[in-house]
Amino acid sequence: EDQVTQSPEALRLQEGESSSLNCSYTVSGLRGLFWYRQDPGKGPEFLFTLYSAGEEKEKERLKATLTKKESFLHITAPKPEDSATYLCAVNRGAQKLVFGQGTRLTINP
Amino acid sequence: DAGVIQSPRHEVTEMGQEVTLRCKPISGHNSLFWYRQTMMRGLELLIYFNNNVPIDDSGMPEDRFSAKMPNASFSTLKIQPSEPRDSAVYFCASRTSMNTEAFFGQGTRLTVV
Repeated sequence: EDQVTQSPEALRLQEGESSSLNCSYTVSGLRGLFWYRQDPGKGPEFLFTLYSAGEEKEKERLKATLTKKESFLHITAPKPEDSATYLCAVNRGAQKLVFGQGTRLTINP
Repeated sequence: DAGVIQSPRHEVTEMGQEVTLRCKPISGHNSLFWYRQTMMRGLELLIYFNNNVPIDDSGMPEDRFSAKMPNASFSTLKIQPSEPRDSAVYFCASRTSMNTEAFFGQGTRLTVV
């Protein structure tokens, strides 16, 4: 069965401490992997789309990468305002957009 | 563009009552999704439409749930009768076409007491 698994469930970092979030997927016929950020009380906000292994996208302190089995969201020198839940989603076969459980990231000042 | 607009933002209702959630997608978007988010189950896809036609409703939990999209600018998700376990945040999202990113509304927080 197609699955999207994110790890860790929660991550607490000090300001400036770089790290990576993982999104593993087992999907036949991947047609896009998406990263979103969700702040409390708000809807998910789109960050990146990746379509093929080896592809990378960057935005400010965030960089997303994709392999055939997983995607990483690298956070470099994070700031407290980067605290949020980060969600990944895959676009599979019949255009269903399916989400992982998310990683709750907290950046302490 | 104002983005995806959902109403109401908050809804509190009594068990057994009918609840209708509303969504206005971004103009020009051809696909629309309804999701439910809870702490336990995360973001679950309930149903999605393409060009106003329901494509996959396998995520709709029970017959108590129904969704319609009468035109390209409006969709509803109805729960009748509502139950306490339906309490969650319901999100609507839309996108231009296949393989593109979806944009989410702010959600409707539903509480069934």
